[in-house]
Amino acid sequence: NAGVMQNPRHLVRRRGQEARLRCSPMKGHSHVYWYRQLPEEGLKFMVYLQKENIIDESGMPKERFSAEFPKEGPSILRIQQVVRGDSAAYFCASSLPEISGSYEQYFGPGTRLTVT
Amino acid sequence: GDSVTQMEGPVTLSEEAFLTINCTYTATGYPSLFWYVQYPGEGLQLLLKATKADDKGSNKGFEATYRKETTSFHLEKGSVQVSDSAVYFCALIINQAGTALIFGKGTTLSVSS
Repeated sequence: NAGVMQNPRHLVRRRGQEARLRCSPMKGHSHVYWYRQLPEEGLKFMVYLQKENIIDESGMPKERFSAEFPKEGPSILRIQQVVRGDSAAYFCASSLPEISGSYEQYFGPGTRLTVT
Repeated sequence: GDSVTQMEGPVTLSEEAFLTINCTYTATGYPSLFWYVQYPGEGLQLLLKATKADDKGSNKGFEATYRKETTSFHLEKGSVQVSDSAVYFCALIINQAGTALIFGKGTTLSVSS
């Protein structure tokens, strides 16, 4: 059973370009979460999605950032017009539906974004 | 608001030493508690968890007990190995909400032979 998959693992963008980060959840998982880890800090929640729905985006910056989880295909975190401060590791996690009673989130290997 | 506080690192130990990493939390609801481990250049792996007061989570020789009276979830291991060198994150999730994990800042552990 494959774990959470993220690609690319490393992404380099120049200031002003767009970054697209992809996440495929574990099989059977319908909930996806995105977290950002800045250097020397813990992970900060950005957004929580279910298929075709954004449930909680309270941690997402108001501008330039967006996320989706379409009916088919991976979840996408999109950062437009990247700036140096966007350089970080972005982690995706997935979990079973809440009805399962399990709150465990399983993390992918992360995408390390570097903005030059 | 809800938060997690971990002891600051780095923690430097010799092989076979006893490990304690302190973690305390503040929660408005009734949380589940987790320890995650991050090896260099990798994502987070769930190390252990506890979902209610007095539960003890354990895995790979690591243990942590959910103490509601002291709002703590300290991580312990009786004899560390070089391979345990990593960053350890304490985290909580509010069961009712079931959404975002709230993480501490992480504690770096370095074990030398």
